[in-house]
Amino acid sequence: AQKITQTQPGMFVQEKEAVTLDCTYDTSDPSYGLFWYKQPSSGEMIFLIYQGSYDQQNATEGRYSLNFQKARKSANLVISASQLGDSAMYFCAMRERGGGADGLTFGKGTHLIIQP
Amino acid sequence: DTAVSQTPKYLVTQMGNDKSIKCEQNLGHDTMYWYKQDSKKFLKIMFSYNNKELIINETVPNRFSPKSPDKAHLNLHINSLELGDSAVYFCASSQVKGGSNQPQHFGDGTRLSIL
Repeated sequence: AQKITQTQPGMFVQEKEAVTLDCTYDTSDPSYGLFWYKQPSSGEMIFLIYQGSYDQQNATEGRYSLNFQKARKSANLVISASQLGDSAMYFCAMRERGGGADGLTFGKGTHLIIQP
Repeated sequence: DTAVSQTPKYLVTQMGNDKSIKCEQNLGHDTMYWYKQDSKKFLKIMFSYNNKELIINETVPNRFSPKSPDKAHLNLHINSLELGDSAVYFCASSQVKGGSNQPQHFGDGTRLSIL
């Protein structure tokens, strides 16, 4: 079973619209962290936002916010006022075991294209 | 002032050769990782290395071996390269001791192509 599921392989969005990228996860560990990364066509991996399993509030970082619904095991990324430079692959990832050195488990990604 | 740097950026070589990819981080992090990104963009953890403790993903062939001369470096050595090893390899680091909210910082990747 997949631990991280991103159901949108690709999305086209008009510039300046808000975007929601879906992510659901599967874990039995009560302590975990959820991350979103952006990978533009140049290839580098850019950290965007983090949500901890015990965090009471949804994380926000500038135009990025995370819609965390713990009971549904979902951690959707919301990008407000999209820009052409937001076109990229977006990956949701999870770290389990409260920060152990086991690395991140990634979803398959969503390819977001912002249209002018 | 690059945080995580890996070299080379591109590596083209013949099947059967042995090659190494170097990674260095100047963030003072306690843990380093290697990931493989396949042609479908799927990223998978290969190794994590923390205070001389190596955690290996069991699906990684033993032709792959990480080598850490010190806390700031984690190199990846690959023996007897195969066609299926063609991928982008990412090095990353994080401060695990600081808590589970510490993000991993990635290098720019090494694109390995096997002829």
